[in-house]
Amino acid sequence: GPKVLQIPSHQIIDMGQMVTLNCDPVSNHLYFYWYKQILGQQMEFLVNFYNGKVMEKSKLFKDQFSVERPDGSYFTLKIQPTALEDSAVYFCASSLGNIPNSDYTFGSGTRLLVI
Amino acid sequence: GDSVTQTEGLVTLTEGLPVMLNCTYQSTYSPFLFWYVQHLNEAPKLLLKSFTDNKRPEHQGFHATLHKSSSSFHLQKSSAQLSDSALYYCASASSSFSKLVFGQGTSLSVVP
Repeated sequence: GPKVLQIPSHQIIDMGQMVTLNCDPVSNHLYFYWYKQILGQQMEFLVNFYNGKVMEKSKLFKDQFSVERPDGSYFTLKIQPTALEDSAVYFCASSLGNIPNSDYTFGSGTRLLVI
Repeated sequence: GDSVTQTEGLVTLTEGLPVMLNCTYQSTYSPFLFWYVQHLNEAPKLLLKSFTDNKRPEHQGFHATLHKSSSSFHLQKSSAQLSDSALYYCASASSSFSKLVFGQGTSLSVVP
């Protein structure tokens, strides 16, 4: 079936530097999401994005985080500056519509290590 | 706020035995419940979903019944296969239909 691609699969970055996580969603999907999973913990909602705007964000979505989808291409999560506690797996997902009318398609995740 | 609880972190089963993975939830509103499965180094994939009390959706031999009276959505399969070894996440959506709330996940290991 259609897939969500996440690039890169792994990233190591020095604390304080900027990182951009890229997500190539399913081509006709309209809703985009980022989830964060710290090792050993559950996946937690960060943000969702529709029609060029953030619809909802959680308290985990710090001021250092931003999302965009320029020119309908990659859906990106930027962290600037990074902190040690940002080390986690970040999952991107997309859907055609809202729950329960549509199902999410998840990517395989980007494993981010901040050192 | 909404929450989902999966009490077992790791379940190890012999092939052929029945599977039951627990999931309970707390929700302000009438929720939608989901089970996702994630094999090693792959993306989480939707396994089952339910919006209706006491209905039992099935997929790939797995089934789960949403019981609103007990706030549960346990995942079951009559006979485990080696290929069922994976991470299983229970999730809910209720107060906001634009996000999922996940449980901690249960790692299922099926051995010969």
